[in-house]
Amino acid sequence: DSGVTQTPKHLITATGQRVTLRCSPRSGDLSVYWYQQSLDQGLQFLIHYYNGEERAKGNILERFSAQQFPDLHSELNLSSLELGDSALYFCASSATQGDNSPLHFGNGTRLTVT
Amino acid sequence: GNSVTQMEGPVTLSEEAFLTINCTYTATGYPSLFWYVQYPGEGLQLLLKATKADDKGSNKGFEATYRKETTSFHLEKGSVQVSDSAVYFCALNGGANNLFFGTGTRLTVIP
Repeated sequence: DSGVTQTPKHLITATGQRVTLRCSPRSGDLSVYWYQQSLDQGLQFLIHYYNGEERAKGNILERFSAQQFPDLHSELNLSSLELGDSALYFCASSATQGDNSPLHFGNGTRLTVT
Repeated sequence: GNSVTQMEGPVTLSEEAFLTINCTYTATGYPSLFWYVQYPGEGLQLLLKATKADDKGSNKGFEATYRKETTSFHLEKGSVQVSDSAVYFCALNGGANNLFFGTGTRLTVIP
């Protein structure tokens, strides 16, 4: 058990809809990262938050947004969903934002857009 | 830019066989390199890492050596077990802990 909790485990929704994925980091970890894993794109970094502030953006679409709250949990919001957004979304946390602070991954949220 | 190229899978081996999964990278500078493992239905777990050239990372019988000359970080294990069946990802740290992953290699070990 990595200590990172993601909810829900599975989500099925229709095109055009909006969903929110939630992540609770390991106790004491200040950094949260979001990754998308799809069959065609592999594992792609989306965005990184540290102690409530955005630190880096990767291949995140404009339809997607995220935030990290004062209690350090994070939410990833996906809107105007398309079939191609179907993927496994992982959250990871680390103690700091420094290089090589180990990342701990949650078990992911599987999103299916129909 | 940063990228990781990983051996295409899937790989199927008999128990006790020798494993090699190739990984090469492109990066500016000398990033830290990692191998992560993903078991069915779970998130990724750090398997091993190396932070500088010629470092050898090792864990659970797996090893990988950071080769600057060949920009490689190949994963090896001398004798695989059925429990090693999983997907293995090579990754590099692109800075501020933002990891770039390879496409993953699925390993199946048969008894």
